[in-house]
Amino acid sequence: NAGVTQTPKFRVLKTGQSMTLLCAQDMNHEYMYWYRQDPGMGLRLIHYSVGEGTTAKGEVPDGYNVSRLKKQNFLLGLESAAPSQTSVYFCASSGQGGSTLHFGNGTRLTVT
Amino acid sequence: GENVEQHPSTLSVQEGDSAVIKCTYSDSASNYFPWYKQELGKGPQLIIDIRSNVGEKKDQRIAVTLNKTAKHFSLHITETQPEDSAVYFCAANPNRDDKIIFGKGTRLHILP
Repeated sequence: NAGVTQTPKFRVLKTGQSMTLLCAQDMNHEYMYWYRQDPGMGLRLIHYSVGEGTTAKGEVPDGYNVSRLKKQNFLLGLESAAPSQTSVYFCASSGQGGSTLHFGNGTRLTVT
Repeated sequence: GENVEQHPSTLSVQEGDSAVIKCTYSDSASNYFPWYKQELGKGPQLIIDIRSNVGEKKDQRIAVTLNKTAKHFSLHITETQPEDSAVYFCAANPNRDDKIIFGKGTRLHILP
């Protein structure tokens, strides 16, 4: 049972480039979340989804877009990367709101 | 929206002693308070959680206490061991919301 899988694990982008981070879960969870982790800032919620076809903004949504076309996948897009988006990105899923989050192992993104 | 404050940011404890990490939250509607442990290079993992209808919960060497009136909750680790060294996050989830908001984390060092 893989749980939550994030791809890629590492990526380096130049300012202005775009990319998509993929999150896949095999637990049939309804809820999926994208967080970013920065030193001294903890985990901050970017966007989340409460079911296939739905998305909602979190604490720090600017500069990111998301899509949940399939229940098992949650995509995070950066349209025009900026150095301020250098971070470690974590995807998580849960069976319902207010319950255990299952995290992937993160994607380390560097924007130069 | 919910705001979670966590203290201290760093904590060093002699092996075998106890460790206490404290968090406060702002939204009185929050009713679910999980604690996550993050080891190096991995995503956070749930170690214990508590709901607002309970004042204390224990699981072996780990306990969590909740004071709803003061809007604070704490993690207690007794008889600390080297494998307890990690980053610990508290979080809160408002009843009416599907977001889980995290504190900034505490890096716990267990000293030999």
